[in-house]
Order: sequence, then C-alpha cells, then structure tokens
Amino acid sequence: EAGVAQSPRYKIIEKRQSVAFWCNPISGHATLYWYQQILGQGPKLLIQFQNNGVVDDSQLPKDRFSAERLKGVDSTLKIQPAKLEDSAVYLCASSKSGRLNIQYFGAGTRLSVL
Amino acid sequence: GQQVMQIPQYQHVQEGEDFTTYCNSSTTLSNIQWYKQRPGGHPVFLIQLVKSGEVKKQKRLTFQFGEAKKNSSLHITATQTTDVGTYFCGGTQGGSEKLVFGKGTKLTVNP
Repeated sequence: EAGVAQSPRYKIIEKRQSVAFWCNPISGHATLYWYQQILGQGPKLLIQFQNNGVVDDSQLPKDRFSAERLKGVDSTLKIQPAKLEDSAVYLCASSKSGRLNIQYFGAGTRLSVL
Repeated sequence: GQQVMQIPQYQHVQEGEDFTTYCNSSTTLSNIQWYKQRPGGHPVFLIQLVKSGEVKKQKRLTFQFGEAKKNSSLHITATQTTDVGTYFCGGTQGGSEKLVFGKGTKLTVNP
C-alpha cells in the first residue's frame, strides 16, 4: 500500500512570495489533515478535511493560508504572502473516517522563508 | 482550549537505561495516541489507548492511560540506539477527531 505522498520535499522562498504544497493521501482515506510543525514543537493542525468538506480550520491563518481538496482526494495548501514565521515543516496526514483512526503522515515539506 | 503537555522536553540516557515520558491534558481525553518521529523523519504511529487505566505493551515499550483519562505515559525498558527520536502524544476530546499534540520528548541514547 502506497503511503501519503507530498511534494515538494523542500522549498526556499523569500518573504512575501507565494508557495503551494501538494498532498496525495492513502487510497480510500476520507480524512486529510494539514499540520504545521515548527522546529522543536509538536505538529499543529491547520485544517482537516472529510472528503472534500472542511471539518476544522480554526487554527488556519486565513488571511494568508488557504487549502482545498476539490475532488475529495488530493489536496493543496497555499501560503500567500509568506512571512518569516511560516518557516516550518508542513505535514500532510490521512486516516479512514472516524475519531479512533490512526493518522498516517507524509514525509513533509520543509519550508524556509528568507 | 484543549492543551497537552509533555515532560521532559529532552532526555539523554546511556544505552541500556530505562526511559519514561509523560503526557498530561488539561481536559479529559477520549483517546490518546503515541507517535515516534526519527530525526529528519515524520511522525509514525505507535499505539492508541482508549480505555481508562489501559496498559499496552509492544516489546520493550509500555504505554499507560490514566484512570481519569487525563494523563498517559510511555516507558521504554533497556533503551537501544534505535530508540532515538522524538516521542509525541496526541489526544482527542469529546466527539472531535482533532488530535492535539504535545511538544514531544526528544530522546538521545549514548551507545
């Protein structure tokens, strides 16, 4: 079974530029999560999708971050414009629906904002 | 809001010594999950605890869920260099699927 795929693995941009990340979850997983992991901290949930609907985006900085999962499969997360404090690893995870289900994480995208 | 605290933040041990990390929540949890993240890697699921007072074992790893479902612990017996990494706990509350992670405990093992 293929795991969660993310691209790119690394991205370096200057502040005020835009960036987009892509995630393809495990086949059949209805729930998709985007996390931000700042160095030395645990993953922080940015947004959670159930199929193509948003379940929780309470911690997503909506003035600059957006995410979509149009067909209920793969997803993109965009930052526009980026700030220095956005430097982090952006992790995508997926799970079968239901709150007791295990989350499977992708390798992440390491973003450096200069 | 829901907060999950983990202690210690760092732990350095000699190979063969035991290691324990603790996870505490400000609210009662529905379930707790433990993940391991190797240096430069991504979180990998270890275990899930659901019942009050539950204890689960995986070889040298023992996981406990407190009676009040507000705390949990992970204990590693006789650490090995392969145990190196950061151990995160994450809990859910009520009917929510949202997993709130602690900051993790970074374990280093001296051979």
